[in-house]
Amino acid sequence: GAGVSQSPSNKVTEKGKDVELRCDPISGHTALYWYRQSLGQGLEFLIYFQGNSAPDKSGLPSDRFSAERTGGSVSTLTIQRTQQEDSAVYLCASSLAQDRNTEAFFGQGTRLTVV
Amino acid sequence: QKEVEQDPGPLSVPEGAIVSLNCTYSNSAFQYFMWYRQYSRKGPELLMYTYSSGNKEDGRFTAQVDKSSKYISLFIRDSQPSDSATYLCAMKGRGANAGKSTFGDGTTLTVKP
Repeated sequence: GAGVSQSPSNKVTEKGKDVELRCDPISGHTALYWYRQSLGQGLEFLIYFQGNSAPDKSGLPSDRFSAERTGGSVSTLTIQRTQQEDSAVYLCASSLAQDRNTEAFFGQGTRLTVV
Repeated sequence: QKEVEQDPGPLSVPEGAIVSLNCTYSNSAFQYFMWYRQYSRKGPELLMYTYSSGNKEDGRFTAQVDKSSKYISLFIRDSQPSDSATYLCAMKGRGANAGKSTFGDGTTLTVKP
């Protein structure tokens, strides 16, 4: 596909369970970003990857949240022991490293509901 | 107080109107300024990107940045019903702060035919 792909598109999980969210960036894009968006709110930064390394993970809310990126491509965001306040839309974006230094292309997001 | 404040709206205008969307910010380290459009249940779409004070025009859209006042605007001319969406401003710094963007909460715009 030509765009940023995220899966699953929707996820309902029970409180206390672990979840994994996946992001497939546009081929060749070395910069990858994770954000989350609560209802009616702007985007909250989580983590930024340049290649496989994460120079800025300052937005991860707690040690229950982790992310990795392998092969300079696919990224996985893992939330352990989910809580109801984790319910939000998780958005991934990618861009070329030298492309305007910004989140150029967003995926459709994963809507996470913790019950 | 939030680093980025965006006029909350909602905003409703007739087709053909000129729309003005605005954000203020407090962090003087912000150097790059973006506007995104987000349709319901979709990811944001980058509309405009600027890195200096002044105006940047792209079709019906004009982005304006005033760093001295810490104020940015997006103008939409000849608004269309298809412009109905939530508009998000975003900004970021340089160097070690180049990865993270700080977003406003968004302004929901409805353009009525």
